[in-house]
Amino acid sequence: DGGITQSPKYLFRKEGQNVTLSCEQNLNHDAMYWYRQDPGQGLRLIYYSQIVNDFQKGDIAEGYSVSREKKESFPLTVTSAQKNPTAFYLCASSTTGGQSNQPQHFGDGTRLSIL
Amino acid sequence: GQQVMQIPQYQHVQEGEDFTTYCNSSTTLSNIQWYKQRPGGHPVFLIQLVKSGEVKKQKRLTFQFGEAKKNSSLHITATQTTDVGTYFCAGQGGGADGLTFGKGTHLIIQP
Repeated sequence: DGGITQSPKYLFRKEGQNVTLSCEQNLNHDAMYWYRQDPGQGLRLIYYSQIVNDFQKGDIAEGYSVSREKKESFPLTVTSAQKNPTAFYLCASSTTGGQSNQPQHFGDGTRLSIL
Repeated sequence: GQQVMQIPQYQHVQEGEDFTTYCNSSTTLSNIQWYKQRPGGHPVFLIQLVKSGEVKKQKRLTFQFGEAKKNSSLHITATQTTDVGTYFCAGQGGGADGLTFGKGTHLIIQP
């Protein structure tokens, strides 16, 4: 059954701690994305990757880092530099090619809270 | 940068009434996508509009892309409780631009 798996579902971070959110997909998609969702704010793009070993900053990349060593995986690290990390984090993937963005498939998300 | 505004933020309707959400971009879009997010869930792709003036229907849902490709709307006829959720539009500018999401419209249905 193809899809995107995010883990954990819930995560708590202590002050000064880095945490890593996992995102794995078996859809054979080239592109992967990380969004942050806050109440009333919609989805804001953190980082995206169109191909393995390459990624670009989105609108709110400060305090976050990513890697794309494998096509299937796009982990997001929330660093201690991110002063307001409490949010719902969504990972998505899509195919690439053509003039238009392809539909994005989302994981179930990770809710991150500060202890 | 590109901005996508969506209104209203919240919409309360009685079951059976119609519902419309509107999306406006500060720049011309090459295409627009619509997503639905159920409470506690993740966004699910509904449709993509590409052509100027395009209208697409999915059962009770009608999607429209403006002639100038700067606005779009989603209309639901005779809402049902299963329509509850947040509806997002997401627009793409030109070239290699990614998607910019609107803040969404929360649809609340009173039985």
